[in-house]
Amino acid sequence: NAGVMQNPRHLVRRRGQEARLRCSPMKGHSHVYWYRQLPEEGLKFMVYLQKENIIDESGMPKERFSAEFPKEGPSILRIQQVVRGDSAAYFCASSGANEQFFGPGTRLTVL
Amino acid sequence: RKEVEQDPGPFNVPEGATVAFNCTYSNSASQSFFWYRQDCRKEPKLLMSVYSSGNEDGRFTAQLNRASQYISLLIRDSKLSDSATYLCVVNGAQAGTALIFGKGTTLSVSS
Repeated sequence: NAGVMQNPRHLVRRRGQEARLRCSPMKGHSHVYWYRQLPEEGLKFMVYLQKENIIDESGMPKERFSAEFPKEGPSILRIQQVVRGDSAAYFCASSGANEQFFGPGTRLTVL
Repeated sequence: RKEVEQDPGPFNVPEGATVAFNCTYSNSASQSFFWYRQDCRKEPKLLMSVYSSGNEDGRFTAQLNRASQYISLLIRDSKLSDSATYLCVVNGAQAGTALIFGKGTTLSVSS
């Protein structure tokens, strides 16, 4: 499968735990974007990364959230000390030029 | 004013009907425009890019009016499988920037 891959597909965490979401872009794509979709809401941009660089993190909450895209391996979105309001679908997209293609998402549930 | 506005619907139409969705965007510097389709609890999938000259892909026709900052999608001969949420999406002033999503218009096609 040459598409965008995300794992895990479902993640359950208790309040205060850490959540790590992983994204592998499509082969040949060097741009990775993370979006969050709250229940009954549209997708909201969080962060845009290229290999080893954060290009735009204007949509990322200032606290508890971080993202990286190392030279080797997948991009990781990390949420520390999760709260119930973090429960959402987190989608990763990759692009080579202009169009962005999405992975299947990770559904995070915080108990 | 919201960055991308869509009528949420739902639009309930019979098979074979023609249905049109509209969308307005607020940033006149936006350069790229797309329609994505999202099925329940799935990732958004690119339906088509939208060009100033208008473009058609089978039963789907997209139009862009930059002066009015207005985008449309026309679906002819609706199929049951067209039932989904249609997302109007715009990009920033340069390639590689984040996508801005409307909240989507829900279409339900019935037999």
